[in-house]
Amino acid sequence: QKEVEQNSGPLSVPEGAIASLNCTYSDRVSQSFFWYRQYSGKSPELIMSIYSNGDKEDGRFTAQLNKASQYVSLLIRDSQPSDSATYLCAVNRETSYDKVIFGPGTSLSVIP
Amino acid sequence: DTAVSQTPKYLVTQMGNDKSIKCEQNLGHDTMYWYKQDSKKFLKIMFSYNNKELIINETVPNRFSPKSPDKAHLNLHINSLELGDSAVYFCASSQDPRGATFYGYTFGSGTRLTVV
Repeated sequence: QKEVEQNSGPLSVPEGAIASLNCTYSDRVSQSFFWYRQYSGKSPELIMSIYSNGDKEDGRFTAQLNKASQYVSLLIRDSQPSDSATYLCAVNRETSYDKVIFGPGTSLSVIP
Repeated sequence: DTAVSQTPKYLVTQMGNDKSIKCEQNLGHDTMYWYKQDSKKFLKIMFSYNNKELIINETVPNRFSPKSPDKAHLNLHINSLELGDSAVYFCASSQDPRGATFYGYTFGSGTRLTVV
């Protein structure tokens, strides 16, 4: 089993719709979780981090975490064509230092 | 000012050559990383240095050797390049070894290595 799994997509949604991106992880001791956005040919940029069970909202983005199910998701409301990118789920296996493990990414395409 | 800068941005070289990629950060961070992103976009950690000390060394062929002359710089030297080394290599930094917990990483723009 891979440490962090995501549907590779592509996920296509119409402009204005809600895009839902899902991620599961295998290491139960993981404590912090991240969503990075990566445009084609660019470097990943952090858009959300979440540490506690429940929802965390930031503008049009909502991250959801369920540690019991080892599941983290990202909702993008009112999707825009500029949201078209690959979204990388990342999990931090904390010990004495951080070791962030990335999932394979989900490609999102927002259709105008 | 670029926070994390890598050079070169593109690198095309023949099999068997030796090449280096350089990374510099001006954020005052203590911890730097090398990640490899393959053609399927899978981003995999290779090495991490904290204040010039190696703290993460994943299962990477020993043809790859990182060097950190000071905490603002982390270079990657690759010997005897192989076709499978073709990928995008990203440098990243975080405030300290636990900094990624709360602040995530700041990534460089990447170096696209093509081995022919």
